[in-house]
Amino acid sequence: QKEVEQDPGPLSVPEGAIVSLNCTYSNSAFQYFMWYRQYSRKGPELLMYTYSSGNKEDGRFTAQVDKSSKYISLFIRDSQPSDSATYLCAMRASGGGADGLTFGKGTHLIIQP
Amino acid sequence: DGGITQSPKYLFRKEGQNVTLSCEQNLNHDAMYWYRQDPGQGLRLIYYSQIVNDFQKGDIAEGYSVSREKKESFPLTVTSAQKNPTAFYLCASSIDGGSDTQYFGPGTRLTVL
Repeated sequence: QKEVEQDPGPLSVPEGAIVSLNCTYSNSAFQYFMWYRQYSRKGPELLMYTYSSGNKEDGRFTAQVDKSSKYISLFIRDSQPSDSATYLCAMRASGGGADGLTFGKGTHLIIQP
Repeated sequence: DGGITQSPKYLFRKEGQNVTLSCEQNLNHDAMYWYRQDPGQGLRLIYYSQIVNDFQKGDIAEGYSVSREKKESFPLTVTSAQKNPTAFYLCASSIDGGSDTQYFGPGTRLTVL
């Protein structure tokens, strides 16, 4: 079983819809959770960073962590065509060093105008 | 502008040739990383460096080599020993090795003919 599972998509939704992107993981030691957005042929950019369980909101984006279920989500409200990209989740255990970041494979999101 | 630059954006090489990918950052970050991204795969760590003149192997270091002679620079050499070198290569940096916030460069797409 892979450490981090993420549906590759593509996930296609109409403009203005609420988008839900998810990752599941198996390592209960993961404490730090990140979401990156990657446009085609570009490097990933950090969108959201959360520690342990709970929610974090930043504009149209909300990151949610449920450690009991080993499940993290990224919600995008009022989705825009410019949100079309691949979204990567990443996570790390407490005390993990520089080699400790584990990435999901990414979900390809398409927002239809 | 502060950031990470990678050059070239596209690189073509013949099989059996070594090739070096450039990565430069002016963020004054101590830690730098090299990842490989293949279609349908997550980011896989090749090498990382937490400080000048020191670096460690990541998950898929075989067939690659790096150097860290300057804080700003972390070049990656793809050697002829790498069996499947065609991929998208991403360089990243963070304030230090314990930071989860990694900033990525734009990437280099290497194609071996």
